[in-house]
Amino acid sequence: DQQVKQNSPSLSVQEGRISILNCDYTNSMFDYFLWYKKYPAEGPTFLISISSIKDKNEDGRFTVFLNKSAKHLSLHIVPSQPGDSAVYFCAARGSNYQLIWGAGTKLIIKP
Amino acid sequence: DTGVSQDPRHKITKRGQNVTFRCDPISEHNRLYWYRQTLGQGPEFLTYFQNEAQLEKSRLLSDRFSAERPKGSFSTLEIQRTEQGDSAMYLCASSSQVPSYNSPLHFGNGTRLTVT
Repeated sequence: DQQVKQNSPSLSVQEGRISILNCDYTNSMFDYFLWYKKYPAEGPTFLISISSIKDKNEDGRFTVFLNKSAKHLSLHIVPSQPGDSAVYFCAARGSNYQLIWGAGTKLIIKP
Repeated sequence: DTGVSQDPRHKITKRGQNVTFRCDPISEHNRLYWYRQTLGQGPEFLTYFQNEAQLEKSRLLSDRFSAERPKGSFSTLEIQRTEQGDSAMYLCASSSQVPSYNSPLHFGNGTRLTVT
């Protein structure tokens, strides 16, 4: 069973516009959510996170929104830049402090 | 901070052979994780160490897989009698505390295993 789902395998966005990446989860006990970014041939790198007691966290061009009632979170990147082209993973922290990962969304920023 | 280092970057082996991978975590991190990632999927948890103690193993980890972290520093992941289904990227990560906003996992660049 996939507890963390990223339903869009890929997303294409024009440079300068907003990129919105989505993530759904099923376990209401998840207490912490993270977004990671991955370039080809590299390991994932931490981007931004949010606690389940918050509904928004912002860091520069990156904002994560959490809707607990819908069990949904989203990552907004604005404005999108060519260097943002990567695979983005959503991860959730469970009761044993282990991370459960989504399958990733490949973001392509078009010039 | 030199980051998490994994060796080798690539490994091609024939089915039935044994392989061993090494991970050197960030020096002050006492937690070390092994993940496996296949194409189109997110990282899948394999096992986790706190210092030298292996505290958790995924039920997906068959008895052909073994991991060690002697002296709580570097770690090795060995796969015995490799199968084609073992072909994947093996990622190592470390952290100083449980994963949180001020203690995210830091990943290495992985070892890509191809079993022919």
